[in-house]
Amino acid sequence: GNSVTQMEGPVTLSEEAFLTINCTYTATGYPSLFWYVQYPGEGLQLLLKATKADDKGSNKGFEATYRKETTSFHLEKGSVQVSDSAVYFCALSEGGYQKVTFGTGTKLQVIP
Amino acid sequence: NAGVTQTPKFQVLKTGQSMTLQCAQDMNHEYMSWYRQDPGMGLRLIHYSVGAGITDQGEVPNGYNVSRSTTEDFPLRLLSAAPSQTSVYFCASRSPGDETQYFGPGTRLLVL
Repeated sequence: GNSVTQMEGPVTLSEEAFLTINCTYTATGYPSLFWYVQYPGEGLQLLLKATKADDKGSNKGFEATYRKETTSFHLEKGSVQVSDSAVYFCALSEGGYQKVTFGTGTKLQVIP
Repeated sequence: NAGVTQTPKFQVLKTGQSMTLQCAQDMNHEYMSWYRQDPGMGLRLIHYSVGAGITDQGEVPNGYNVSRSTTEDFPLRLLSAAPSQTSVYFCASRSPGDETQYFGPGTRLLVL
């Protein structure tokens, strides 16, 4: 079956530091890949997505590139802010009525 | 659009009590899901529905029932609450043509 593995947290960074959160996946087909973000006390919301190999998703300064050869979708941001403190989930979907598979989440804390 | 709404936001139950967690969406999405979120375990799928009158089990269905009489509503029923069901519950919806999931704000449940 499908699976998503992401780095364990928590990750603590100083403001303006560079962020990488690793995500690798296993899938039987050609999935779409997602990063969702969950701010404290809220539900998850889509941060970015990529639907095919070599696509780059980007939003709010975050980026992730769909790497089929390494089955990875690492999340990066060049300069984090305190407001980026949240839990980040990597996920995959094979579309249609297929279920979405989520990673366990990585908590990011950014300190001033 | 209100998106996905959930009620209540917080609930305390005693072991053996029953309750229904409500979920509604106004986006005309066919696909709706219930997840539970526990520390270190990410999101686990409880039940899902691909349309009115159609439901199926996810990874952790035991102790929960669902029904889908309309496109908009997808309630989750706990027939006899147990402390192991203490968790945060999220409802989500999506369209088959759009792989993005839209999440509700969550219901925090404590079973004593």
